[in-house]
Amino acid sequence: QFQLVQSGAEVKKPGASVKVSCRASGYTFNRHGITWVRQAPGQGLEWMGWISPYNGYTKYVERFQGRATMTTDTSTSTVYMELRSLTSEDTAVYYCAREPIAAAAKPYYMDVWGKGTTVTVSS
Amino acid sequence: AIQLTQSPSSLSASVGDRVTITCRASQGIGSGLAWYQQKPGNAPKLLIYDVSSLQSGVPSSFSGSGSGTEFTLTISSLQPEDFATYYCQQFSGYPPTFGGGTKVEIK
Repeated sequence: QFQLVQSGAEVKKPGASVKVSCRASGYTFNRHGITWVRQAPGQGLEWMGWISPYNGYTKYVERFQGRATMTTDTSTSTVYMELRSLTSEDTAVYYCAREPIAAAAKPYYMDVWGKGTTVTVSS
Repeated sequence: AIQLTQSPSSLSASVGDRVTITCRASQGIGSGLAWYQQKPGNAPKLLIYDVSSLQSGVPSSFSGSGSGTEFTLTISSLQPEDFATYYCQQFSGYPPTFGGGTKVEIK
């Protein structure tokens, strides 16, 4: 059973950073890329970036370039997404999701999703 | 970035109805299109990938079609559990992008 387990909800003040984790199980971790998608309250889905646990290669949407960092820990099959300089606009549910294409060189679609981590930014 | 426009943004339908949702891309995306279903409080669920391939475990009442810049998701006979919001996603161009969503509500 493929599974992605995300860390718990976070409340942060403006200007702070948050680091969300996503632990994978049930498949060969370093064979499948992980995408991060966020969803602001009442809004649609926003693609943020992608990391290949195979080689650590990352791609970010331009608006998050320099503010988001995605990393992997292959010893624990965990992917992390850190977002810095938070503002109220970053209040959202953050999802990690697996892409099913093994050893892909670019992001595709996602077949397994975590349950989401709620990040609230408030003073 | 490639923009995806979904229509309608919402619709009301009855159990048993045939429902069609359209996703238009700002440029050609070949076969790089997927559809997701999201229910309130839940993560999205993959329904269709590569325009028309049905994800394992998804009922055959769901189907996808299209080419170039216009794509459709069809639910042949709407069931109570199908009331949700549906999103298209393109992965042909970078960055991948989502449509704005279509909320399917009970009439």
